[in-house]
Amino acid sequence: AQSVTQLDSQVPVFEEAPVELRCNYSSSVSVYLFWYVQYPNQGLQLLLKYLSGSTLVKGINGFEAEFNKSQTSFHLRKPSVHISDTAEYFCAVSDGGRGFQKLVFGTGTRLLVSP
Amino acid sequence: NAGVTQTPKFQVLKTGQSMTLQCAQDMNHNSMYWYRQDPGMGLRLIYYSASEGTTDKGEVPNGYNVSRLNKREFSLRLESAAPSQTSVYFCASSVSRTGTGELFFGEGSRLTVL
Repeated sequence: AQSVTQLDSQVPVFEEAPVELRCNYSSSVSVYLFWYVQYPNQGLQLLLKYLSGSTLVKGINGFEAEFNKSQTSFHLRKPSVHISDTAEYFCAVSDGGRGFQKLVFGTGTRLLVSP
Repeated sequence: NAGVTQTPKFQVLKTGQSMTLQCAQDMNHNSMYWYRQDPGMGLRLIYYSASEGTTDKGEVPNGYNVSRLNKREFSLRLESAAPSQTSVYFCASSVSRTGTGELFFGEGSRLTVL
């Protein structure tokens, strides 16, 4: 069964600084990988996803992530953050096998952007 | 343009009471899900419905039941609420059952069990 580890529960950063949110996964099969964002008092919304092809995936709001199969990682990056990026970010994985696939979520990383 | 709608948004129950969380989606999606979100634990899948007429247990199904009423609606019932069920509950839907597509989430239902 697949699992997801988000190494940082909270990441404080100053506005306009770069940020990286780390995500590692474990799975015995090929995987699909996702990053979701949750703004305060809202549901989750998709930032980006990796299904196949190019390992560098670009998403909304200037975020991007790189799939690294050898390191089983899918870290999320943004070169310059804004106050409005303050939110909780969840990495998720589903396996690429047959049958119904369910998403397994990490425990989340709270990004705190200050002026 | 509603997407996924959950009701109620807030609820306080006493231990042993029952209640049903309602969820409806207007995107003609086939699959629907119920998750719970607890601090430090991320989202955990309670039940899911791959398609109309089917439901299956997720990671944490104990103490819950679900009904896929039709393609649009997927309800979650707590028969005898316990303090351990205090949580934020999210309903979600997706186009297909293959796991490659995007999940669309409701805004959540915050439940407190005293």
